[in-house]
Amino acid sequence: IAGITQAPTSQILAAGRRMTLRCTQDMRHNAMYWYRQDLGLGLRLIHYSNTAGTTGKGEVPDGYSVSRANTDDFPLTLASAVPSQTSVYFCASSPGTGAHTGELFFGEGSRLTVL
Amino acid sequence: GQNIDQPTEMTATEGAIVQINCTYQTSGFNGLFWYQQHAGEAPTFLSYNVLDGLEEKGRFSSFLSRSKGYSYLLLKELQMKDSASYLCAVMDSNYQLIWGAGTKLIIKP
Repeated sequence: IAGITQAPTSQILAAGRRMTLRCTQDMRHNAMYWYRQDLGLGLRLIHYSNTAGTTGKGEVPDGYSVSRANTDDFPLTLASAVPSQTSVYFCASSPGTGAHTGELFFGEGSRLTVL
Repeated sequence: GQNIDQPTEMTATEGAIVQINCTYQTSGFNGLFWYQQHAGEAPTFLSYNVLDGLEEKGRFSSFLSRSKGYSYLLLKELQMKDSASYLCAVMDSNYQLIWGAGTKLIIKP
């Protein structure tokens, strides 16, 4: 089934540990994004990639890093997790260009709890 | 700063009509998007408006007034499955999406 796959779906993590959230899409979309969603707040962009080999910082990039070695994969790494990174993380992709990059396809989310 | 405002929560009755409003102040405008998000699930794309006016798609319609910085999502013939959060997002001049916090819609029988 075509779409975006995220892993893990849920994780409890000790503060200070390193964690990588995986994201894979099979739709050959150029643009990919990582968002976090917290209660009472809108989706906030962490990092994005417009095409393989390029990445950019979003609204809340501190404490996170990404890579885009190929079209399909866009992992998000927390180098040293802190409790404020407790959130639901969504990976998304977009087939369009310009304004049509707003038509996003989302993965099912990764619920991360940092203790 | 950039800002998207929408009501936190709304309640409506099955079979009725509900209008969810969204007002925005952004640096430039390249379109307004509505997404639906059921509890515990991912957002799914509903509609896109870039010109003023009403876009109709089945039971759902979306309206835009760029001069007023205003949009609404209209849901007709409400069904229980429409219980969800509805997210408004605006694409700014840098083609970045700015998201509202979402409106939780509760449908009662």
